[in-house]
Amino acid sequence: QVQLQESGPRLVKPSETLSLNCTVSGGSISLYLWTWIRQPPGKTLEWIGYIHGSGPSTTYSPSLESRVTMSVDTSRSQVSLNLNFVTPADTAMYYCARLTEGGFDVWGQGTTVIVSS
Amino acid sequence: QSALTQPASVSGSPGQSITISCTGNTSGFSIYNSVSWYQQHPGKAPKLIISGVSNRPSGISNRFSGSKSGNTASLTISGLQAEDEADYYCHSFTSTSILVFGGGTKLTVL
Repeated sequence: QVQLQESGPRLVKPSETLSLNCTVSGGSISLYLWTWIRQPPGKTLEWIGYIHGSGPSTTYSPSLESRVTMSVDTSRSQVSLNLNFVTPADTAMYYCARLTEGGFDVWGQGTTVIVSS
Repeated sequence: QSALTQPASVSGSPGQSITISCTGNTSGFSIYNSVSWYQQHPGKAPKLIISGVSNRPSGISNRFSGSKSGNTASLTISGLQAEDEADYYCHSFTSTSILVFGGGTKLTVL
């Protein structure tokens, strides 16, 4: 059974870079699309972008693409997210999820990121 | 404003049926046959409950069903149970490969 685990700093200072990893276990990373989704407190889900597990094909949300970079490390079975020049508006729960034709079928538990000085 | 419009809240009594709608609100965000629905309990990650408009993943109760008509997708929950109280989100692919979510609907079981 595929499992996803997000990891990274909980606190990031404004204007710095948010960096998160998603470790995929129990299945192949290369055969699927992997996505990052965030959810600010009390708000709806926001899709950030997706990357093919064999890399480097990516598609980002138009609202974030100027600040986002996603990458895959197949040797570590990890998908990474970098979000530059963060502001308090980037404070959210960040999820990684596996994307199939049917939708996001496997989710990590999420990791909270707070942007504050 | 989300690209997909959902009612902010719906409610129903145990045993009743409710329907949550999801409408594409601009011509660029048409509801394709890729609509999926997610259930999210407080403090938990979302869970896929309907994929490809009307398909239930393994382990999902047949009380959950999905449909689509024109630019509106719908999630119906029949035989409401207390455990169904949660937030529900729709999602769709778009013609430009961008992914969009609805604003979410809070279901209250009275």
